[in-house]
Amino acid sequence: DGGITQSPKYLFRKEGQNVTLSCEQNLNHDAMYWYRQDPGQGLRLIYYSQIVNDFQKGDIAEGYSVSREKKESFPLTVTSAQKNPTAFYLCASSMGSSQETQYFGPGTRLLVL
Amino acid sequence: SQQGEEDPQALSIQEGENATMNCSYKTSINNLQWYRQNSGRGLVHLILIRSNEREKHSGRLRVTLDTSKKSSSLLITASRAADTASYFCATNTGFQKLVFGTGTRLLVSP
Repeated sequence: DGGITQSPKYLFRKEGQNVTLSCEQNLNHDAMYWYRQDPGQGLRLIYYSQIVNDFQKGDIAEGYSVSREKKESFPLTVTSAQKNPTAFYLCASSMGSSQETQYFGPGTRLLVL
Repeated sequence: SQQGEEDPQALSIQEGENATMNCSYKTSINNLQWYRQNSGRGLVHLILIRSNEREKHSGRLRVTLDTSKKSSSLLITASRAADTASYFCATNTGFQKLVFGTGTRLLVSP
């Protein structure tokens, strides 16, 4: 059963805490992406990776970090430097460049305690 | 930065009616894509139209692209209650990323 999985579905963060959102794909896609979606808004790109061990900042990378040690995995860490982390986080992948369609995971909703 | 702006922001229709959503963008594009998002879920790709294409069909979906006006429209014919969702346009400008619009929320009532 191919696709993209994200975990957890809901995540609670305490002030000053770093939290990591998981994203795994078994589609053999080279490119992976992280987006943030605020209520009633579109998606904003946080980070993206075209190949293993390489990634680039998107439009709103401040307060976030990523790694791409394996083709299948692209975890996102929301650091304590991100002062307004409450949002819906979506991971996506595509076969190559983003000219191709992107396939999305089910999302993780991050809430601040 | 938001490249695409959808219009209207919200649309409410009855089952069986057609739904039209519009997307305007600012810079030259390689292609434009439409995605659908059910509440609280991930996005699903619907259709891609390239900059040298003017119209494309997929089932009950019809997409047009006018590069001179920097605009696109998505038409859903014979809408069903299951079409209730948010619809986003996304533009690819050749810089290795998609830029999404703000979305149109469609409500189809039985």
